[in-house]
Amino acid sequence: GQQVMQIPQYQHVQEGEDFTTYCNSSTTLSNIQWYKQRPGGHPVFLIQLVKSGEVKKQKRLTFQFGEAKKNSSLHITATQTTDVGTYFCAGLGDRSGGSNYKLTFGKGTLLTVNP
Amino acid sequence: DSGVTQTPKHLITATGQRVTLRCSPRSGDLSVYWYQQSLDQGLQFLIQYYNGEERAKGNILERFSAQQFPDLHSELNLSSLELGDSALYFCASSVGLGEDTGELFFGEGSRLTVL
Repeated sequence: GQQVMQIPQYQHVQEGEDFTTYCNSSTTLSNIQWYKQRPGGHPVFLIQLVKSGEVKKQKRLTFQFGEAKKNSSLHITATQTTDVGTYFCAGLGDRSGGSNYKLTFGKGTLLTVNP
Repeated sequence: DSGVTQTPKHLITATGQRVTLRCSPRSGDLSVYWYQQSLDQGLQFLIQYYNGEERAKGNILERFSAQQFPDLHSELNLSSLELGDSALYFCASSVGLGEDTGELFFGEGSRLTVL
């Protein structure tokens, strides 16, 4: 079945450093979503990417969807303490991949920021 | 506030017992999802309902069952509880299904502790 791998599992940075988390799917995706879960909180939707090669920005966050629609990344520039949390990608499989539009979450990357 | 309501927020029970977790989706959302999140674990997909019908099953144990009622609220029943069932159970809702899934709105979760 469809698998979504996310790396790294943990990342600790100094405030002001950049951060990147990567997501790879075993099958072609219809779209990919990113969520953030603050410590003690619930996942909150950040963005959805649909088109091959798509790049979207939200302030210091840059999201990319690969050309083959099988991988994605989230890059945070100049991290702040408010960026702390777990970042999840969730891939929606497309019909050609046999996953029939099933949404599969990666295991997440826990980001901690040292002030 | 995501608009998704989960009750109870916290639940402590003993092994062998049965509990029911309740979820009211966001107004207008027809899809309801249940996820299990254990300590340091990602979001384990359990089951999805759309407009009252089961649409997808994940790694849901036979001791667990769920349903979605005509008013679209959903219940997750956990029986013969074991220590390992202690986790945070999230409900999420979305507008559509398949390619039109859209973003998921998560509730605040129900934290189950089995002693």
